[in-house]
Amino acid sequence: NAGVTQTPKFRILKIGQSMTLQCTQDMNHNYMYWYRQDPGMGLKLIYYSVGAGITDKGEVPNGYNVSRSTTEDFPLRLELAAPSQTSVYFCASSYLGRSYEQYFGPGTRLTVT
Amino acid sequence: AQTVTQSQPEMSVQEAETVTLSCTYDTSESDYYLFWYKQPPSRQMILVIRQEAYKQQNATENRFSVNFQKAAKSFSLKISDSQLGDAAMYFCAYRSPGGSQGNLIFGKGTKLSVKP
Repeated sequence: NAGVTQTPKFRILKIGQSMTLQCTQDMNHNYMYWYRQDPGMGLKLIYYSVGAGITDKGEVPNGYNVSRSTTEDFPLRLELAAPSQTSVYFCASSYLGRSYEQYFGPGTRLTVT
Repeated sequence: AQTVTQSQPEMSVQEAETVTLSCTYDTSESDYYLFWYKQPPSRQMILVIRQEAYKQQNATENRFSVNFQKAAKSFSLKISDSQLGDAAMYFCAYRSPGGSQGNLIFGKGTKLSVKP
């Protein structure tokens, strides 16, 4: 059971480039989330999804896009990368249950120069 | 909007001793969930303990326990018999019940060092 997997683990982008961060979960969770973690800070929500075909913005969505065509996958797209997007990105998933525990992927460290 | 505050950026504890990490939160909701996550240098977010607001009994998980004071909106984490492997960033997080969003709201974290 792999849980939540993210690729790549590290990436360096030049300003203006685009990329997709991949996230896959094998727990059949309906909820999925993308967070970013800036140095010395907690995680902030970028986008979330409550099921395939349903996505919505979180606290810091500008500069990002998401899609959810399947239950398992929730990719995060960065268009026109900017230095302000240098951060560590975490994908998480949970199911609609009483405990609402979220399971996190290992994170992607992204540097934009 | 809900907020989570961790007032201790860094803490230090001697191995085998006990340490308490503080967390306060602000909410107008009566039912919610609170969590402590551990983030070691590997970056992996690991759930340490959770507390349901409707439960009066404080949650415990082996050496980890919480002091949940609902009226004071306080949720501290106590680590007993500290071990070198406990050294990490610790994040307090809040989650609203039900609803369509369900994300966690995090504090800024407390960096815990364990001295041998």
